[in-house]
Amino acid sequence: DSGVTQTPKHLITATGQRVTLRCSPRSGDLSVYWYQQSLDQGLQFLIQYYNGEERAKGNILERFSAQQFPDLHSELNLSSLELGDSALYFCASSVVGTTGAHEQYFGPGTRLTVT
Amino acid sequence: AQSVAQPEDQVNVAEGNPLTVKCTYSVSGNPYLFWYVQYPNRGLQFLLKYITGDNLVKGSYGFEAEFNKSQTSFHLKKPSALVSDSALYFCAVREGSDKIIFGKGTRLHILP
Repeated sequence: DSGVTQTPKHLITATGQRVTLRCSPRSGDLSVYWYQQSLDQGLQFLIQYYNGEERAKGNILERFSAQQFPDLHSELNLSSLELGDSALYFCASSVVGTTGAHEQYFGPGTRLTVT
Repeated sequence: AQSVAQPEDQVNVAEGNPLTVKCTYSVSGNPYLFWYVQYPNRGLQFLLKYITGDNLVKGSYGFEAEFNKSQTSFHLKKPSALVSDSALYFCAVREGSDKIIFGKGTRLHILP
């Protein structure tokens, strides 16, 4: 158990809908990262937050947004969902975000299926 | 721009034999390099990292990795493979506080 929690574990929704994925980092970790894992695209970094502020941005679509709250939990919002958004979404956390030297601890993921 | 490559989609090794999973990287400065493992229906687990110093890094579950600056490689190794090592392995690179880049992953099959 990494100490990172994600809810829900599974999510099935229809095209055009909006969903919110939730992540709680390990106790003491200030950085939260979001990733998308699909069979054809591999593991794609979406976005990083550090202590409530956006720190780095990857291949995140404009239909997707995220935030980190004062209690350090994070939410990833996916809107106008398309079939191609079906994937595993992982959250990870690390101790700090000011250097890249710290390893990340991954949650168990949320499997999103868009029908 | 930084990048990382795992040239093998799949590696098959007999149990008890040594294993190597290859990774090469490209960065303009000094890299931070990581290996992660993913078991079925699980999130990624951290195995080991190279920050600076000794080129041979030891990690969890008996794995180690060798940093080779001239060849820009960071291959994952284990002297004697176990069937339980079968999983998906990811190499990752990060330059400074920039975003982390993961390789496409290598599926390791340990044959009993």
